[in-house]
Amino acid sequence: DIVMTQSPLSLPVTPGEPASISCRSSQSLLQSNGHNCLDWYLQKPGQSPQLLIYFGSDRASGVPDRFSGSGSGTDFTLKISRVEADDVGVYYCMQSLQTPLTFGGGTKVEI
Amino acid sequence: QVQLQQSGPGLVSPSQTLSLTCAISGDSVTSNSAAWNWIRQSPSRGLEWLGRTYFWSKWYTEYAESVKSRITINPDTSTNQFSLQLNSVTPEDTAVYYCARWRHDPRYFDLWGRGTLVTVSS
Repeated sequence: DIVMTQSPLSLPVTPGEPASISCRSSQSLLQSNGHNCLDWYLQKPGQSPQLLIYFGSDRASGVPDRFSGSGSGTDFTLKISRVEADDVGVYYCMQSLQTPLTFGGGTKVEI
Repeated sequence: QVQLQQSGPGLVSPSQTLSLTCAISGDSVTSNSAAWNWIRQSPSRGLEWLGRTYFWSKWYTEYAESVKSRITINPDTSTNQFSLQLNSVTPEDTAVYYCARWRHDPRYFDLWGRGTLVTVSS
């Protein structure tokens, strides 16, 4: 199984300031077609996870452009350019390369 | 509006079978662009993918090795829903269970049910 490791575990943020979360996979998520099979999800308090980023850097429909994903192979980053109060919750990376689909342990973002 | 509606008991006795259903509206369980998944979440195990079913000319199912001997995911085309059965449960199976739609291309979960807290206890 592909192991996903996120850091930090907890991230205190200040509204208006940038924030960054790292995710590392135990094997490369880069497909031969150039896609990195890495998704980012946000689970807001009391809600189900929601898709933010797929293929490492493609924003899902309706996701604000303050969210961006980068990285390739085994190392990935989610950045929030200017944190807003609505961004609090737990962020998860997930590899979509192969089953079993596996998630990182989560990063709790709080104001 | 596309949505997934989960149903099933919130309390299951140890050694019994956990059974949940996910009703699909606004899409079809036979869609060839989607797979229908069960995922659970607990403090000890985090988010854990359990398995999925999908239709590509015929039905396919895939299960996580951790539950493979105990799990069954079945589609029901007559009611446009899919189900989860997990046998011989223990307190370690206590979790919030989610159904979710997976898109084959691109590769992501784009729709989740609201989640069902299932507690395994006598």
